[in-house]
Amino acid sequence: GQNIDQPTEMTATEGAIVQINCTYQTSGFNGLFWYQQHAGEAPTFLSYNVLDGLEEKGRFSSFLSRSKGYSYLLLKELQMKDSASYLCAVRDSNYQLIWGAGTKLIIKP
Amino acid sequence: EAGVVQSPRYKIIEKKQPVAFWCNPISGHNTLYWYRQNLGQGPELLIRYENEEAVDDSQLPKDRFSAERLKGVDSTLKIQPAELGDSAVYLCASSLAPSTSGEADTQYFGPGTRLTVL
Repeated sequence: GQNIDQPTEMTATEGAIVQINCTYQTSGFNGLFWYQQHAGEAPTFLSYNVLDGLEEKGRFSSFLSRSKGYSYLLLKELQMKDSASYLCAVRDSNYQLIWGAGTKLIIKP
Repeated sequence: EAGVVQSPRYKIIEKKQPVAFWCNPISGHNTLYWYRQNLGQGPELLIRYENEEAVDDSQLPKDRFSAERLKGVDSTLKIQPAELGDSAVYLCASSLAPSTSGEADTQYFGPGTRLTVL
């Protein structure tokens, strides 16, 4: 079967750095997406990785290792508004998007 | 640019009643998705359209769910009759290109319809 694993919940302090991990086991790989979802709102696109390495976008970076079936989302200089769920999604060999359950990130002052 | 529009935002119905959700994708986006999301879980794909063709409806419970996208733009998702287990948020998303297009397949979501079945 296909599986995406993420921690259920993480807590971090305002101004700090946090890394959210995602491991996947899918039938093939055609790209990995990270989305942010605030409570009661729709997911919004954060990043896309298809090749190994680090993609940086301002305070957010996403890393991919295809050989390890592993990705992480790195959030720097955390702000209270970063409190949200972060969803990892992998596109498989059939170009279907397989979604993780999301990691709820709680930011404390 | 207007985002994905969905209506209604909230719907409360009694079990066995019908319900319909409407979605208008981002202008120019040919691919449209309907998802169901339960609390604490990721979105679950129900159906995917490329223009007016349903190219993936393998996860759609066809005994009670139906969808249409007649002119390749707006779409409607219907449940008839609704069951208690259908309570969830129904999300519509659209993307510019087909799902084989790399980053151009990035999906943009509407605000969702929160359905409560009593």
